Formats: sequence, C-alpha cells, structure tokens
Amino acid sequence: DGGITQSPKYLFRKEGQNVTLSCEQNLNHDAMYWYRQDPGQGLRLIYYSQIVNDFQKGDIAEGYSVSREKKESFPLTVTSAQKNPTAFYLCASSTTGAVYGYTFGSGTRLTVV
Amino acid sequence: AQSVAQPEDQVNVAEGNPLTVKCTYSVSGNPYLFWYVQYPNRGLQFLLKYITGDNLVKGSYGFEAEFNKSQTSFHLKKPSALVSDSALYFCAVREGSSNTGKLIFGQGTTLQVKP
Repeated sequence: DGGITQSPKYLFRKEGQNVTLSCEQNLNHDAMYWYRQDPGQGLRLIYYSQIVNDFQKGDIAEGYSVSREKKESFPLTVTSAQKNPTAFYLCASSTTGAVYGYTFGSGTRLTVV
Repeated sequence: AQSVAQPEDQVNVAEGNPLTVKCTYSVSGNPYLFWYVQYPNRGLQFLLKYITGDNLVKGSYGFEAEFNKSQTSFHLKKPSALVSDSALYFCAVREGSSNTGKLIFGQGTTLQVKP
C-alpha cells in the first residue's frame, strides 16, 4: 500500500542532543513538509521541499535542519539549538501544487528528558 | 495573505444531532479548500475537498461541506453526529493560483459528541 511512514513513533532526547526524525513516502510525491504541533495549537510549518535537493524554511525553522537527497525521504533533525523541542511532529507529502491536498504520516512524539 | 479561521475552539453536540464546524478563509484568487480530522496521537486524515464545481461537497464518514464564495466560508457538516466523530478537525486552504502547493491550516476545532 502506498503511504507515508514516520519513525520512531516516540522519541526521547536528552538536553543538548541532536535527534533525527525519519519520514519516508512511496506515493511518488514531489513535495514533502514538516509540521510541529503543540497542545492547543494548530500546525506550524517547519520546512518544506518541493523537489529533490531543494528545501525552504517555514515559519519556525530555527533549531531544525532537513535534507532531501532522495524523493522518498525527508528527514528532520532537531538540533540542540531548539530550546523547546517537546512536541508532536507531523510529516506530509503531496503532488506538485497540492491539488489533492496532503497525505500525512502518523507522527512522532518527541520528549526532552 | 492567505489565512484560515476556525472561530470555535470546541463544539459540543449530542449524539444523533446535526453538527457544524465553521471555517472561513481569505485568499486572492479561487481557493482550494480541505477538511482533515485528527484522532489523538495520530496524523491528519483527509475528509473532503473543494476545488471547483458543486458547492456542496460530500466526503468520508458521512461528512459534507458547503462552499460559500460570498461569505468566504467552508463549513463542515454532518446530519447526525456519532460519539466516534469526537476528534480534532482542521480546515485548510490553498490559493488556487499558487504554484507552491503550501496549505494554510486553521487552528483546529475540537468536536465533542456526547451520548
């Protein structure tokens, strides 16, 4: 079945550590997105990529980094510069122009311990 | 600038009653409009979309939405609510002429259906 897979489902980070969240899709979508969701808040865009080897900052990119070396993969690294990383992270993908909307992964819950 | 507003943080309805979750938008050009549902600790699931055509759009799980261009609204409706409909609902808009494909999401509305 085609879909988008995020791993791990739960992730714990110690203070000062970098961690990488995985996002893989087999939908042949060109565009991929990372969102952060905090309790009681909506979705905030971290980074997005419309094509391989290219990506743009979203609204809250500070403390995060991404790469897009393959069409299927768009990993997100939460760096130690992100002071409040505890949140639910959602990855999504779409065809070019998102005419049909996004397909979302099931999310990764990151907790700082 | 594009924007989406969901004016209600929470909507409470009794099971079997009709439900409405409100959404208004602001874009230049013709909008592409979407509704998504999110259950706890899960990703967002697509419910329905409006791109063009009939203003009444039918989607998954018995939901429908009506596009109203003059009121710039796209309210989500269901004739008879189920307890299992309790979830977080997001409205999203994409500017029709946009080539970036970015969707703008509302803040979300929690729907609570009581038995």
